[in-house]
Amino acid sequence: EVQLLESGGGLVQPGGSLRLSCAASGFTFSSSDMSWVRQAPGKGLEWVSAISASGDITHYADSVKGRFIISRDNSMNTLDLQMNDMRAEDTAVYFCAKDLNLPIGWSPFDYWGQGTLVTVSS
Amino acid sequence: EIVLTQSPGTLSLSPGERATLSCRASQNVISYLAWYQQRPGQAPRLLIYDTSNRATGIPARFSGSGSGTDFTLTITSLEPEDFAVYYCQQRRSWPITFGQGTRLEIK
Repeated sequence: EVQLLESGGGLVQPGGSLRLSCAASGFTFSSSDMSWVRQAPGKGLEWVSAISASGDITHYADSVKGRFIISRDNSMNTLDLQMNDMRAEDTAVYFCAKDLNLPIGWSPFDYWGQGTLVTVSS
Repeated sequence: EIVLTQSPGTLSLSPGERATLSCRASQNVISYLAWYQQRPGQAPRLLIYDTSNRATGIPARFSGSGSGTDFTLTITSLEPEDFAVYYCQQRRSWPITFGQGTRLEIK
């Protein structure tokens, strides 16, 4: 059974940093592209960042480029998101999502974690 | 950035009825369009990928169609558990984008 378990959420002050982690199991993690997707309270879904299976290719939404860093450890089956210079608009539930790994391109996401809440407030 | 516009914002129907949800892309996404269902307090669930392919375990009452810029998710004979929010998502180009969602509510 595929499982994705996020951790690391919490309250952080504007300008602060937070590191999210996602522990993956039940599939070959090292063969799967992965993403972070967030959802502000009462709002829709926003893709944040993606990383290739090997970790050598990354993509970011413009809203987080230069502030967030996605990484992975295929030996530990973990996906991370380092969030720096955080802003109030980064407040959201952050989901870890597994790519369906179709032959062409990236996404869609066939498995999601339950999410971890990040609140940016003073 | 490709903008996805979903309509209607809210759809009020009764169990057993047919639901038709629309997603319009600001640019051609070819067939690279997916649909997700999100129930309150839950993570999204992949329903349809690449326009018309049902994801694993998705009932046959869910179907997708369209191409280019106009796409449709159809749910025939609504079940109580189908009342939720539905999102479309494109993977034609970066950044990956989602529509704003359609809320399907019980009439």
